[in-house]
Amino acid sequence: DAMVIQNPRYQVTQFGKPVTLSCSQTLNHNVMYWYQQKSSQAPKLLFHYYDKDFNNEADTPDNFQSRRPNTSFCFLDIRSPGLGDAAMYLCATSPPFPGGQETQYFGPGTRLLVL
Amino acid sequence: EDQVTQSPEALRLQEGESSSLNCSYTVSGLRGLFWYRQDPGKGPEFLFTLYSAGEEKEKERLKATLTKKESFLHITAPKPEDSATYLCAVYESTDKLIFGTGTRLQVFP
Repeated sequence: DAMVIQNPRYQVTQFGKPVTLSCSQTLNHNVMYWYQQKSSQAPKLLFHYYDKDFNNEADTPDNFQSRRPNTSFCFLDIRSPGLGDAAMYLCATSPPFPGGQETQYFGPGTRLLVL
Repeated sequence: EDQVTQSPEALRLQEGESSSLNCSYTVSGLRGLFWYRQDPGKGPEFLFTLYSAGEEKEKERLKATLTKKESFLHITAPKPEDSATYLCAVYESTDKLIFGTGTRLQVFP
């Protein structure tokens, strides 16, 4: 029944060692989002895809990249993780526009720890 | 600047003690307001969407209302399983969801 799946649920990496987080969806939604959420803070949008069109937030660090090879999968690459990148990373999807794009369905998140 | 503010930051209730959570917003071009529930270590779970002032939505013990400047999430006779962080988010004209920092609710038996 899982609709938005994130793997792994927990990821430990070393300072500066590249890491990739993955998200897949069974909803066939054309919009996918990546958020960063730190403890007791609101989710912060990093970027989103509308189909294959990539939209980067102005304040998303260059250290963060994303790939979307097909409708179902989306990846978040952190090229050189720093201690400040330790957070929960949330993937979300939303239905086709118009009419449903604003309702976002979230995955369970990947908690990243940087040592 | 678009902003979403939630209050209180934390709320402790006795089981059965009804209360309300507030979400106030200043955005240009509001297209919808959303309430999510988030349990520790999990992603937000969608609860409600409200589109226009005066609109109300209900689900079990929760009721969401919307005015031109704020939204309330009313919790009637809460149970311990209602304990979670409740997030408000506003969808605005640039196709983005702007989240508040949430209200952490604890309901004690």
